[in-house]
Amino acid sequence: DIVMTQSPDSLAVSLGERATINCKSSQSVLYSSDNKNYLAWYQHKPGQPPKLLIYWASTRESGVPDRFSGSGSGTDFTLAISSLQAEDVAVYSCQQYYSGPFTFGPGTRVDIK
Amino acid sequence: EVQLVESGGGLVQPGGSLRLSCAASGFTFSSYGMNWVRQAPGKGLEWVSYISSTSSRMQYADSVRGRFTISRDNAKNSLYLQMNGLRAEDTAIYYCARDLRIGYDYVGWFDPWGQGTLVTVSS
Repeated sequence: DIVMTQSPDSLAVSLGERATINCKSSQSVLYSSDNKNYLAWYQHKPGQPPKLLIYWASTRESGVPDRFSGSGSGTDFTLAISSLQAEDVAVYSCQQYYSGPFTFGPGTRVDIK
Repeated sequence: EVQLVESGGGLVQPGGSLRLSCAASGFTFSSYGMNWVRQAPGKGLEWVSYISSTSSRMQYADSVRGRFTISRDNAKNSLYLQMNGLRAEDTAIYYCARDLRIGYDYVGWFDPWGQGTLVTVSS
């Protein structure tokens, strides 16, 4: 099984400042035949279902604000929020869809400082 | 509006059974693979099961294989999860989620998700 880890467990960032979340997979999720990274990011607010932010590691889902961006390749990935807004307070999780079981990271909680 | 609504959760004793349902609307249900994902109290998300658009392919997490069965009825725009032999560790909110990796019978990324239905396994 591919194990997904995230760092930090939580972070507090001032409004308007940059937040960076890291996700690491225990093996590469880069598929050589199409050169795509099989990784997605989700935002999960209390009392709401998770919401898709990013897929293919860096493709922003339609309607997601452009302050959210994904980067990385192979085993190391980053979700960045360029200018944190109050509505961005949530838990953020990465997910690999390279191979089953399709594992999620444990989540990173983002709060306002 | 694309919408998924789960139902069927509740309190069940260890060893018991439940059948979860997910009603889909606002999109062509028969064109998409579907997933069940759960979140235990205080834990992260755990993928549970996948079914392709035509039911030709099903996949399960090791933790539920042999106990849970995923199915769908495209005529009714509905997804199901039959859960047998329930254990305390199956206690979680269960979400159904549309798979956006269209055209492939493989798991991709998920959106939208339903609001979830709570399953509690306890005596």
